[in-house]
Formats: sequence, structure tokens, C-alpha cells
Amino acid sequence: AQSVTQLGSHVSVSEGALVLLRCNYSSSVPPYLFWYVQYPNQGLQLLLKYTSAATLVKGINGFEAEFKKSETSFHLTKPSAHMSDAAEYFCVTSGTYKYIFGTGTRLKVLA
Amino acid sequence: DAMVIQNPRYQVTQFGKPVTLSCSQTLNHNVMYWYQQKSSQAPKLLFHYYDKDFNNEADTPDNFQSRRPNTSFCFLDIRSPGLGDAAMYLCATSREGTNQETQYFGPGTRLLVL
Repeated sequence: AQSVTQLGSHVSVSEGALVLLRCNYSSSVPPYLFWYVQYPNQGLQLLLKYTSAATLVKGINGFEAEFKKSETSFHLTKPSAHMSDAAEYFCVTSGTYKYIFGTGTRLKVLA
Repeated sequence: DAMVIQNPRYQVTQFGKPVTLSCSQTLNHNVMYWYQQKSSQAPKLLFHYYDKDFNNEADTPDNFQSRRPNTSFCFLDIRSPGLGDAAMYLCATSREGTNQETQYFGPGTRLLVL
């Protein structure tokens, strides 16, 4: 069965520091993978999506993620954190009519 | 801009009093989903519609019902809300529901049960 595991339910970084949010997937077939961001009391917004066209995926707001089959990982990174990046981030894989969510990582950005 | 709209953004109801949440979309997508999201948890799928075909998740309580009168609108009915039903309810859409598609989420309705 497909699944994703997010390591670290809470991550804190200083403003201007590198953001690294970890996601590992489990799938017997090449997966489709997504990163979503959720700001407080808001819906989920797509950051980026992996569809096997390229292993390095660039998304919105300066985020990117690299698909590494050998490590079964799809970690999300941003070179320099901004206060506005504070939010909940979900790594997601998909099946037909179904999203399989990770447990989420809450990112805190320290001034 | 094409989008998913949810009304109201905040809804307060009383224990046991039926409540309806609404979702509309301008994306003309075939599939509409309803999720329940409790505090600090990932969204949990309640059900989805493909066009007019309704598909319930196995563990969705009978207290939750849905209607989709046309392509654009979908409603979530909670027949007798309990305190445990207080949550954020998210509506989402996708074009055909295949595993490579993006789901587009609305802003959510936060339900408070008194």
C-alpha cells in the first residue's frame, strides 16, 4: 500500500536559514507526490508536484523538492526562510480518487 | 480565476441541530471531495462524487450525508452534530480523479458545535 512519512511534526528555523522538511514514500509503483501548504484557518495550497518528468521540482514561493528513488525521499527545501513561510506542510501521495496524506510538519520561523 | 468556494467560512451550530455546509467550483471538474480536518491532523476523506455518482468512505459515520445537485455545487449535511464533529471541513475538486491529478482545495468551513 502507498504511504508517506513525514519526519518531524515540528520544525523551527531562523529567518533567512535553510528550510528542510522531510518526506519518505512507500510505493510499489512510481508514485505521484505533492507538497501542500496550509496557513492557519485556510485550505490547502499546492506548492509543487512530482510526476516523473523531472526529479528536481520547482514550486511556488521559492520552494523546491527533489525526488530520490534510491532513498525513497521527496524532501522539501527553501534556501532562505521568510516569516510568511510559517505554516503546516503536508506531503501527499495519490491513488485513484484518493490522496494519502503524511501527518504534517508545522514550520515555525524565528525572527 | 477558477476556484473552489466554501460558504460560510465559520459556522456555529448547536448539539444535535442539523447543519449544511456548501461548496461551489468554477473549474468544471467532475470530481468533488469532502474532507474533515481536526486540529493538528491531516485531512480525512469523508466521501467524493464523480459527476452524480456518490462514493462513501467505509468509516464515514452515517451522520454525514452529501448532495450534488449539479456540476458546480456540492453540500455536506450533518444530520445531528455532536461535539466531536467540530472541525474544519474542506471541499476539493479534481478533473477526473486519476492518481496523477492535482486536487484543488477550497478555504474550508470551520464548524463549532455548542
